[in-house]
Amino acid sequence: AAGVIQSPRHLIKEKRETATLKCYPIPRHDTVYWYQQGPGQDPQFLISFYEKMQSDKGSIPDRFSAQQFSDYHSELNMSSLELGDSALYFCASSSLTSGGPRRDTQYFGPGTRLTVL
Amino acid sequence: AQSVSQHNHHVILSEAASLELGCNYSYGGTVNLFWYVQYPGQHLQLLLKYFSGDPLVKGIKGFEAEFIKSKFSFNLRKPSVQWSDTAEYFCAVNPTTSGTYKYIFGTGTRLKVLA
Repeated sequence: AAGVIQSPRHLIKEKRETATLKCYPIPRHDTVYWYQQGPGQDPQFLISFYEKMQSDKGSIPDRFSAQQFSDYHSELNMSSLELGDSALYFCASSSLTSGGPRRDTQYFGPGTRLTVL
Repeated sequence: AQSVSQHNHHVILSEAASLELGCNYSYGGTVNLFWYVQYPGQHLQLLLKYFSGDPLVKGIKGFEAEFIKSKFSFNLRKPSVQWSDTAEYFCAVNPTTSGTYKYIFGTGTRLKVLA
């Protein structure tokens, strides 16, 4: 079965640079979620999109922005990178339209490991 | 604030031992509950989930979990662990009536199974 695809899988950037992470949800999934997992920590919710509109916002820094496109893929843009941004960034997708919020199950991608030097 | 607690941060077991990992959450409304497993260097994989109905849910790889509403708990169990179960286990809660779809994760439990 098709899974969530994330690219790139690994990314190395310098401080103050920008980075763009991409997420391709499972086909027919309409909702995308972004999570950040620091070393040895649990995933922290950043932001989510349902039908190309932002549906929820968590602890996402102002330096970060994201959007969901017409083909439902999503991009997380990160500017003025800091050392503390080094983490594993997970994207998850679900189908709120078919399952409804009461039965939403998120399926996670392999993550993008961002290292800021 | 909503939170999820996993009290066992590190667990070491021998093969064939029984496993129980605790998960408690703080939210008074209706919740969806999940257990995910993260093998070393890999992404989160869904083990099992609870939405409603029978509070004892069975998942993949012989795992099961029991939802006890009065205790706000959703503990994960496996009767006999294998070396291949070595991984990190995350409990996640989706407070469905709060108007949000995000998951709140626990801090994870690192399980090491000795061969």
